[in-house]
Amino acid sequence: EAGVVQSPRYKIIEKKQPVAFWCNPISGHNTLYWYRQNLGQGPELLIRYENEEAVDDSQLPKDRFSAERLKGVDSTLKIQPAELGDSAVYLCASSLPPGPEQFFGPGTRLTVL
Amino acid sequence: KQEVTQIPAALSVPEGENLVLNCSFTDSAIYNLQWFRQDPGKGLTSLLLIQSSQREQTSGRLNASLDKSSGRSTLYIAASQPGDSATYLCAVSYNTDKLIFGTGTRLQVFP
Repeated sequence: EAGVVQSPRYKIIEKKQPVAFWCNPISGHNTLYWYRQNLGQGPELLIRYENEEAVDDSQLPKDRFSAERLKGVDSTLKIQPAELGDSAVYLCASSLPPGPEQFFGPGTRLTVL
Repeated sequence: KQEVTQIPAALSVPEGENLVLNCSFTDSAIYNLQWFRQDPGKGLTSLLLIQSSQREQTSGRLNASLDKSSGRSTLYIAASQPGDSATYLCAVSYNTDKLIFGTGTRLQVFP
């Protein structure tokens, strides 16, 4: 069974540029999460989807971040414009309730210069 | 504020040693607690999940215990191997499936 797929794996951009990350969850998993992990820290939840609906986006900086999950499968996280402080690893995870276990992708490492 | 703390931040040991990694959380009303492993440049791999009603879980050389009343969990690694070198993260969830992570323990096991 394929795991959570993310692309790109690495991205280097200059500040003020836009960037987008893509996630394909495990087949059949209707809950999808985006986390941000700063260097030396644990991941922090940005947004959680149940199917197409964003049910928890309280930690998403909405002035520059946006996310979508069309058709309740793949998801895209966008930053526009990027700032130096956005440099981090962006992790996608999925789960199939009622099981609590979350399965994580390899992440996208973003560097903003 | 719900916070998770992990001690030590880093650990370097010779192969064969038995290890204890510690995790503490400020709000004891957890739904479950998970231990993850993270290898450099890779995502997180779930190692053990303990429901709030459980006291411990075991998988191979790994044993995780949970003491809700004191807000603590320990991950015990028996007979450590170089392949165990990674960052170990503890995460708790409350009445939703939102995970709150600690900052991790970076483990290095040398031959």
